[in-house]
Amino acid sequence: SQTIHQWPATLVQPVGSPLSLECTVEGTSNPNLYWYRQAAGRGLQLLFYSVGIGQISSEVPQNLSASRPQDRQFILSSKKLLLSDSGFYLCAWRGAGLKYGYTFGSGTRLTVV
Amino acid sequence: SQKIEQNSEALNIQEGKTATLTCNYTNYSPAYLQWYRQDPGRGPVFLLLIRENEKEKRKERLKVTFDTTLKQSLFHITASQPADSATYLCALERGSTLGRLYFGRGTQLTVWP
Repeated sequence: SQTIHQWPATLVQPVGSPLSLECTVEGTSNPNLYWYRQAAGRGLQLLFYSVGIGQISSEVPQNLSASRPQDRQFILSSKKLLLSDSGFYLCAWRGAGLKYGYTFGSGTRLTVV
Repeated sequence: SQKIEQNSEALNIQEGKTATLTCNYTNYSPAYLQWYRQDPGRGPVFLLLIRENEKEKRKERLKVTFDTTLKQSLFHITASQPADSATYLCALERGSTLGRLYFGRGTQLTVWP
């Protein structure tokens, strides 16, 4: 069966520090992968999506970047965190065929201090 | 700009009653509409998907309707139980940007005994 792993679960980082969040998927190949952020009191916001290795599309301009170095690995990064980067970051993948919903990871709670 | 509104931030109902949650959208022509459940500190879990040419979809105690004329989806939980207490998210997928989901802020449902 397919599973999605995301780590770390929580992270407290100072302003100006770098960030790297990792997401891996098991049990599937060539998945569509997504990074979402959920800020306090707001809905999930799509940040990046990828349909294959090295293929990244950005939804909104921001202080973050994403990379997909391997088929089942998706990384979210920042060179210098801002306070506004705090939030709940979720990785998701979608199975083959558009009739399926997303499978989300367990999320990373990032607090920038 | 696109807007997805869920009728209220919170809904409280008594166990055994039917919970009805509303999702309204503007400036969209969604190809698919999805509903997710999210528990505190966890990633959303996919519940149901309905296509634009479908009026209704059911799964056990859950029912979703989709009215593209009214630009509205209704999500029903019949015979509600305290275990149904969670935040429910509506998400739309446009035909022009298949694979990308846009979420509402969610409705927090509390079912009391």
